[in-house]
Amino acid sequence: DSGVTQTPKHLITATGQRVTLRCSPRSGDLSVYWYQQSLDQGLQFLIQYYNGEERAKGNILERFSAQQFPDLHSELNLSSLELGDSALYFCASSGGQLASYGYTFGSGTRLTVV
Amino acid sequence: QKEVEQDPGPLSVPEGAIVSLNCTYSNSAFQYFMWYRQYSRKGPELLMYTYSSGNKEDGRFTAQVDKSSKYISLFIRDSQPSDSATYLCAMGYSSASKIIFGSGTRLSIRP
Repeated sequence: DSGVTQTPKHLITATGQRVTLRCSPRSGDLSVYWYQQSLDQGLQFLIQYYNGEERAKGNILERFSAQQFPDLHSELNLSSLELGDSALYFCASSGGQLASYGYTFGSGTRLTVV
Repeated sequence: QKEVEQDPGPLSVPEGAIVSLNCTYSNSAFQYFMWYRQYSRKGPELLMYTYSSGNKEDGRFTAQVDKSSKYISLFIRDSQPSDSATYLCAMGYSSASKIIFGSGTRLSIRP
């Protein structure tokens, strides 16, 4: 167990729908990162939050949004889902704003859009 | 051109062999380099971390960084079936918060 908790583990939903993925970082970590992993694109950075504030943004679609709450858990909201959004979504955490020593990943949420 | 290039494999070797995994990169600003191991249906886990050029050894694993060639390697000695996984190289620089990952090399160790 890495200490980073992601729920749900699996999600199957229809095109056009909206889903929320949840992440609890490792105890003491203030940064949360969201990544998307698909077969053809590999691990793609979506967004980072540090202590409740957005810190860095990557290749995140406008249909996707995230937030980090005062208790430091984070949610990734995916809306108007398309077939191409099917992927593994990983959350990772680190202690500081910068990831100089790497992240700790959760076990991911597998999203299937049908 | 991707910032980090990694041969996706798959790579299949017999148990006990030495495995060499490699990545090249284009951004000379990268300062730290990592290797992650990802088992099927699991999240990536940090295996090796190095800062700047040189070698770092940890048990059967050796990470090598050649910044002049923009080339990093991971060597696995006495490979075991339990080493079968996807290995992702990753890199970043101190002033940035995101880490850039290679696409991963799928490795299979045959008993």
